[in-house]
Amino acid sequence: AAGVIQSPRHLIKEKRETATLKCYPIPRHDTVYWYQQGPGQDPQFLISFYEKMQSDKGSIPDRFSAQQFSDYHSELNMSSLELGDSALYFCASSPAGGIANEKLFFGSGTQLSVL
Amino acid sequence: AQSVAQPEDQVNVAEGNPLTVKCTYSVSGNPYLFWYVQYPNRGLQFLLKYITGDNLVKGSYGFEAEFNKSQTSFHLKKPSALVSDSALYFCAVRDSNFNKFYFGSGTKLNVKP
Repeated sequence: AAGVIQSPRHLIKEKRETATLKCYPIPRHDTVYWYQQGPGQDPQFLISFYEKMQSDKGSIPDRFSAQQFSDYHSELNMSSLELGDSALYFCASSPAGGIANEKLFFGSGTQLSVL
Repeated sequence: AQSVAQPEDQVNVAEGNPLTVKCTYSVSGNPYLFWYVQYPNRGLQFLLKYITGDNLVKGSYGFEAEFNKSQTSFHLKKPSALVSDSALYFCAVRDSNFNKFYFGSGTKLNVKP
């Protein structure tokens, strides 16, 4: 069965650079979530989209932006990268508008290292 | 406010013994509760969820969890642990009024042969 696809798997950047992370949800899933997981930390919610519109916002820095495209894939754009942005970034998708009783399906994550 | 607590950073059990990973939650509406497992450098994999109905929920890989409303708990259990169960386990809650998941801090399960 198709899963959530994230690219790239690994990304190395320097401080003040920009990065773009991509997420391709499971087919027919209309809701995408982004999570950030620091070393030894639990996943922290960043932002979510439903039907190409932002549906919820968490602890996403102003330096980050995201959008969901017409094919439902999503991109997380990160600018002015800081050392503290080094983390595993997960994308998750959900069907049916992300209603509360639906589980999330997670991708394998993008490991971002900022040097 | 919505929150999840996993009081144990680490749980150690011997293979073949029963295991329990604890989780308590706090939500303002009806709780939807989930357990996920994470292997090193991997995404979170869904194990089971409680939405409504029977308080004992059975999930993947022989895991089960018991919803206890009075104690606001949703402990993960397995009758007989396997070495391959060693991983990081996250409890998550979703309030029926809100969209996003809230994760606990995670519990590392070590199953020794």
